[in-house]
Amino acid sequence: EAGVAQSPRYKIIEKRQSVAFWCNPISGHATLYWYQQILGQGPKLLIQFQNNGVVDDSQLPKDRFSAERLKGVDSTLKIQPAKLEDSAVYLCASSSTRQGAIAEAFFGQGTRLTVV
Amino acid sequence: SQQGEEDPQALSIQEGENATMNCSYKTSINNLQWYRQNSGRGLVHLILIRSNEREKHSGRLRVTLDTSKKSSSLLITASRAADTASYFCATVKGAQKLVFGQGTRLTINP
Repeated sequence: EAGVAQSPRYKIIEKRQSVAFWCNPISGHATLYWYQQILGQGPKLLIQFQNNGVVDDSQLPKDRFSAERLKGVDSTLKIQPAKLEDSAVYLCASSSTRQGAIAEAFFGQGTRLTVV
Repeated sequence: SQQGEEDPQALSIQEGENATMNCSYKTSINNLQWYRQNSGRGLVHLILIRSNEREKHSGRLRVTLDTSKKSSSLLITASRAADTASYFCATVKGAQKLVFGQGTRLTINP
């Protein structure tokens, strides 16, 4: 079974520039997550999709961040314009459901973003 | 906002000893999950325990859940150097969100 694929692995941009991250979840997984992980902290949920609908985006800074999941499969996360505090690892994960609740999530390797 | 809070934030033990990490949460949950993260890598799922379960085992891992105290513990027995990593608990509640705590950094000294 192929895992969650993310690209790019690393990205360095200047502040006020834009950047996009791509995620391909495990085939058949209806739920897709984007997390932001700052060094030394736990992953912070930015947005969660169920198929191509948004379950939660309460912590997504919508003035600069946007995400979409076309056709309920691949997803992109965009930041425009980037700020220094956006420097973090962006993790994509996917999961299925079991007995009506979210089962274990499978994570990609993440994209390390550095904003200078 | 973070749902689970791990304790301790950091733990350093000798190889062969047992390591215990705790997780407390605030609201009712459907299930609670534990993950491991090696430095610079993605998270790896370890164990899922449902709200109607009290204990689960997987190899050297033992997870307990006390819903009355809203807490869970992860026990790693006979630790190895390869267990050095950060460990996170994550809760799934009514809205089906998967929310992580801040983690415990475990160091196993040879």
